[in-house]
Amino acid sequence: DAGVTQSPTHLIKTRGQQVTLRCSPKSGHDTVSWYQQALGQGPQFIFQYYEEEERQRGNFPDRFSGHQFPNYSSELNVNALLLGDSALYLCASSLVAGGPLTQYFGPGTRLLVL
Amino acid sequence: QKEVEQDPGPLSVPEGAIVSLNCTYSNSAFQYFMWYRQYSRKGPELLMYTYSSGNKEDGRFTAQVDKSSKYISLFIRDSQPSDSATYLCAMRGGGATNKLIFGTGTLLAVQP
Repeated sequence: DAGVTQSPTHLIKTRGQQVTLRCSPKSGHDTVSWYQQALGQGPQFIFQYYEEEERQRGNFPDRFSGHQFPNYSSELNVNALLLGDSALYLCASSLVAGGPLTQYFGPGTRLLVL
Repeated sequence: QKEVEQDPGPLSVPEGAIVSLNCTYSNSAFQYFMWYRQYSRKGPELLMYTYSSGNKEDGRFTAQVDKSSKYISLFIRDSQPSDSATYLCAMRGGGATNKLIFGTGTLLAVQP
């Protein structure tokens, strides 16, 4: 079992650009959550997807959007990038029935905005 | 004021020491309390979780929750250099939510 995988591992963008990050959940998991972890900070919840719909959202602007596919994989899109969007973006998958106690995190995508 | 406060450290201890890591929180609705370990350039991994107040022990690790004081702790006995990592506390309320509120993390270094 490969666990949660994310791509790419690193990314460099410039202000104003758009970025798409990808996540494949752990086998058998049906729910994907995305978190942003700035340097020296704890992860902050962006949103959660289940059954291809956004189910819950944290305090992030509409520039952050996502998608979940029928195979449960997910994408995080960020438009009009700002310098402050530089962070480690973590994907976590879980079973909706098990909640966060079944949540596994991927290694993250490190985004640098110049 | 942040919902969850955690001393960022860094905390440096000799091998074999007992380590105490702590978080305080302000939201009395939190019911699930978790500790994650994050190695450099890796995602967080769940170490322990506790529901409501009380203690939980797993090998060298003990988690304590005091809801009356809104204070949680993680103790590591006989610390090893392999325990060197960032330790994150995380909390969530009841109901059907996967939203976790994390502390800033404490960087721990165990010196051989």
